[in-house]
Amino acid sequence: DTAVSQTPKYLVTQMGNDKSIKCEQNLGHDTMYWYKQDSKKFLKIMFSYNNKELIINETVPNRFSPKSPDKAHLNLHINSLELGDSAVYFCASSQDNRQGTQYFGPGTRLLVL
Amino acid sequence: GDSVTQMEGPVTLSEEAFLTINCTYTATGYPSLFWYVQYPGEGLQLLLKATKADDKGSNKGFEATYRKETTSFHLEKGSVQVSDSAVYFCALSDAGGTSYGKLTFGQGTILTVHP
Repeated sequence: DTAVSQTPKYLVTQMGNDKSIKCEQNLGHDTMYWYKQDSKKFLKIMFSYNNKELIINETVPNRFSPKSPDKAHLNLHINSLELGDSAVYFCASSQDNRQGTQYFGPGTRLLVL
Repeated sequence: GDSVTQMEGPVTLSEEAFLTINCTYTATGYPSLFWYVQYPGEGLQLLLKATKADDKGSNKGFEATYRKETTSFHLEKGSVQVSDSAVYFCALSDAGGTSYGKLTFGQGTILTVHP
């Protein structure tokens, strides 16, 4: 059983389109995160939800909107995609929002043409 | 704010060589420290962690010791294998303030091990 899963694994789309990435965890964790990995492999936090409540919202364009319908799911919707949005997006989860280990999904490779 | 600095890569070694990847950090609170590994085309996996000063994390022959006095968490392995080729990330998690446990990553170090 996959602990943290993401769909789709690959996403190729045109500039200006709207797309969504889904994440699910079956670990029973309370906290979920979205990270962005750029072409130089640098990883940066985007958002975090704890028990469906948004607790971290880094300086991300408001074209990015996370949604957590329940504790096990955290989705990321991106409007009006731009070339610079091309990256790998990782979902992660942890038991709580303190300093515990985070478990990562396999990533979604987004390419905007 | 919090930050993590890793040694520049890429690092290329022969099989059975000794590995050190340096990592230093800056944090406002009392962070937990982690090493994550990313194999080609995959997500990140926890390699080891330490939650307080002088703790040593270890896994799969890798070790790192939490040194508060030097704010360091260097990764070491005595004898690397070709299968260790990957990108290694040092990271910290600081529960203080508005950090809410988020991970702050170093820039990653690409390791290539040749037979």
